[in-house]
Amino acid sequence: EVQLVESGGGLVQSGGSLRLSCSASGFTFSSYEMNWVRQAPGKGLEWVAYTSDSGNTIYYADSVKGRFTISRDNAKNSLYLHMNRLRAEDTAVYYCARGPYSGTWFPNWFDPWGQGALVTVSS
Amino acid sequence: QSALTQPASVSGSPGQSITISCTGTSSDVGRFNYVSWYQQHPGKAPKLMIYDVKNRPSGVSDRFSGSKSGNTASLTISGLQAEDEADYYCSSYTMNRTVVFGGGTELTVL
Repeated sequence: EVQLVESGGGLVQSGGSLRLSCSASGFTFSSYEMNWVRQAPGKGLEWVAYTSDSGNTIYYADSVKGRFTISRDNAKNSLYLHMNRLRAEDTAVYYCARGPYSGTWFPNWFDPWGQGALVTVSS
Repeated sequence: QSALTQPASVSGSPGQSITISCTGTSSDVGRFNYVSWYQQHPGKAPKLMIYDVKNRPSGVSDRFSGSKSGNTASLTISGLQAEDEADYYCSSYTMNRTVVFGGGTELTVL
């Protein structure tokens, strides 16, 4: 069974930093593109970041560019999101989501999704 | 990049068909056949229902179908069932190498 499990969420002050992790199992992690998508409380979905299977191609939403860094460790079947200079508007549930099998090299569809990790930024 | 435009809510009776629209621009929906649709029940993670405009992932009911015309994509659910009541989001790849989502549509099964 394909599983994605996020961890590392919590309460942080505005301007602070946090690192989210996503542990993958049930599939060949190193062969799939991966993404982070977030959802503010009571709001819609917002794509955050994408990484290719190798980690060599990375894209970000304008709202997080320069503050967030997506990375992966294929040996550990893990995806990460390093979040710096956090703002109140970054408060959201952050989902780790698998993309297509290697070869697309851009963010497209997301399947499956993890259960999400809540990040709360206090101002 | 502005969000794609979806109706805030739609409703239908069991057995009926409903269609949710998703309007973008020539920089996203109109430019690429990379439109996806997601179903989200309260408190749950989203689930992929349609990808690349009209393709259904394995395990998704054939009551769900997708289409596109110009800058507008559509999700149609036929034979509406109580379990279909959820929020639905569309998304599209954009020429800026990003993904933009719609604001979401709340489906109520009467």
